[in-house]
Amino acid sequence: ETGVTQSPTHLIKTRGQQVTLRCSSQSGHNTVSWYQQALGQGPQFIFQYYREEENGRGNFPPRFSGLQFPNYSSELNVNALELDDSALYLCASSFGQGAYEQYFGPGTRLTVT
Amino acid sequence: RKEVEQDPGPFNVPEGATVAFNCTYSNSASQSFFWYRQDCRKEPKLLMSVYSSGNEDGRFTAQLNRASQYISLLIRDSKLSDSATYLCVVRPLGGGSQGNLIFGKGTKLSVKP
Repeated sequence: ETGVTQSPTHLIKTRGQQVTLRCSSQSGHNTVSWYQQALGQGPQFIFQYYREEENGRGNFPPRFSGLQFPNYSSELNVNALELDDSALYLCASSFGQGAYEQYFGPGTRLTVT
Repeated sequence: RKEVEQDPGPFNVPEGATVAFNCTYSNSASQSFFWYRQDCRKEPKLLMSVYSSGNEDGRFTAQLNRASQYISLLIRDSKLSDSATYLCVVRPLGGGSQGNLIFGKGTKLSVKP
């Protein structure tokens, strides 16, 4: 196992609501990246946090936001949920700025109705 | 053109077969390359990094051809447990999305008895 944990495992929300997903990185890792994986697709990069600062962002609107805490755990917040936000949200843990080898948590499956 | 393209699959092979997956990437400045494996409804797991000189890990061999922007994965003596989706992953150099891993859609492998 990677030692990366995520909570909750499953979540059902209604369109327009807000959601917060959580991730704890592997011991010794200081970088967390978030990805969205729709059914039948590869994961798509949302953003990365390195030492509590955003270190890059993919093509996602501002209603997707995040935080990293001093212990390197991280949150992903999504406001004004849309039906298309239904997906598996993955966080990945790594060491150092940039991607290199990333280790994924089990993901949070979000369903928006 | 998609940034990372893979054989669409699915590949259905008997146990013991040798199977090869191919992947092409569009950004010639890409810096790092990986193969991940993803089981159904699970997170992606790093299978191996891909180096310019090619590398082998047991039954798995990865090759990189930078001139052709082509990556391959060869699995020898397939096992039932190799059944999964194999994701080709590229890390581009620089750009506005540091830390961005770009995933292909994946190729599904099914190994039959």
